[in-house]
Amino acid sequence: GESVGLHLPTLSVQEGDNSIINCAYSNSASDYFIWYKQESGKGPQFIIDIRSNMDKRQGQRVTVLLNKTVKHLSLQIAATQPGDSAVYFCAASSGGYQKVTFGTGTKLQVIP
Amino acid sequence: NAGVTQTPKFRVLKTGQSMTLLCAQDMNHEYMYWYRQDPGMGLRLIHYSVGEGTTAKGEVPDGYNVSRLKKQNFLLGLESAAPSQTSVYFCASSYQGEFEQYFGPGTRLTVT
Repeated sequence: GESVGLHLPTLSVQEGDNSIINCAYSNSASDYFIWYKQESGKGPQFIIDIRSNMDKRQGQRVTVLLNKTVKHLSLQIAATQPGDSAVYFCAASSGGYQKVTFGTGTKLQVIP
Repeated sequence: NAGVTQTPKFRVLKTGQSMTLLCAQDMNHEYMYWYRQDPGMGLRLIHYSVGEGTTAKGEVPDGYNVSRLKKQNFLLGLESAAPSQTSVYFCASSYQGEFEQYFGPGTRLTVT
């Protein structure tokens, strides 16, 4: 089956710096990728998604890059703030919202 | 708007007991979902609903039942709880079948 994993369980970043969280997936048939943020004790929060026919998509202070050749995607957060401290996980879909494989998450710690 | 709410927040059950988790949303969303989140694993879809009166199985439906009698509510039932069902359960909703889902705060269930 599909596997989705993040490269680092924890990432520490200085406030104001840019953060890059990386994710790898295994299924080359995956056609949709999603990033979520989960703060401690709360439910996941949708951040941004990207279709497989795109290489890059930008949102508010976030950019997702997709490299299908090496089955890798990344989430870049610009000017990281203390409120960005959370667990970030990626997900990949190979058949709509019913067939999504979620990763386990990278904990982003923002150092003031 | 309260968004997605879940009741209860915490529950401890003995093996064999039954219980119902309640999810409510006030966003008039058609689709609703139940996930479980276990340590070291990503979210897994249990059941989902594409509208009032409908339900469908997700990735890990065994041991659970659901009902969607009203559009705003989605109930998850455990008829005979097992220790393997110890988990954090999240409900989510979306306008249509999409990846931008809105999650509730979760229910932490322990089965002893």
